[in-house]
Amino acid sequence: DTAVSQTPKYLVTQMGNDKSIKCEQNLGHDTMYWYKQDSKKFLKIMFSYNNKELIINETVPNRFSPKSPDKAHLNLHINSLELGDSAVYFCASSQDFEGNFGTYNSPLHFGNGTRLTVT
Amino acid sequence: AQTVTQSQPEMSVQEAETVTLSCTYDTSESDYYLFWYKQPPSRQMILVIRQEAYKQQNATENRFSVNFQKAAKSFSLKISDSQLGDAAMYFCAYITQGGSEKLVFGKGTKLTVNP
Repeated sequence: DTAVSQTPKYLVTQMGNDKSIKCEQNLGHDTMYWYKQDSKKFLKIMFSYNNKELIINETVPNRFSPKSPDKAHLNLHINSLELGDSAVYFCASSQDFEGNFGTYNSPLHFGNGTRLTVT
Repeated sequence: AQTVTQSQPEMSVQEAETVTLSCTYDTSESDYYLFWYKQPPSRQMILVIRQEAYKQQNATENRFSVNFQKAAKSFSLKISDSQLGDAAMYFCAYITQGGSEKLVFGKGTKLTVNP
């Protein structure tokens, strides 16, 4: 059983389009994240949600909007795609955000990534 | 600013030999956790080992061990008896305790294992 699953695995689209990447975790975790890995392999956090509430919102363009319908899902919507958005996007989850079992005690479980190519 | 620095973009090792990947970090926090993640070509991120900053004893997981030097803010990963399957990108990461936890990653080290 896949713990954290992202779809699609590959996404090729043209500039200006709007696209979404879906993420689901079946671990019962309370916190979910989106990371962006650029062409130099550098991973950078974009968003973090805890129980459907936004916790971390790093400096990303407002064209990127996360949506969490429930705590098992965190989807990433991207409007007006640009060439610079091309990257691999990773979804992740962890047990808790606060308390004795915060994220530092329960490491991140990552999805397999979505390679987005904007042409 | 919280940063994690991996000064070796690429490393190589002969199969069955030992290799050490370096990592330094910068933080003013006293409580935090450190991790090494492995990313093989499949792109999945796999936790290799983790270390709590309040523990002096270095963490060990089978062939993987760390050399944690808190005063020097250094957290190197040693891989013993390297195997072909160890070839991957290795990311050092750090997270603080309390408040708005944030996991900060280094830029990664590409490890090649030669047969």
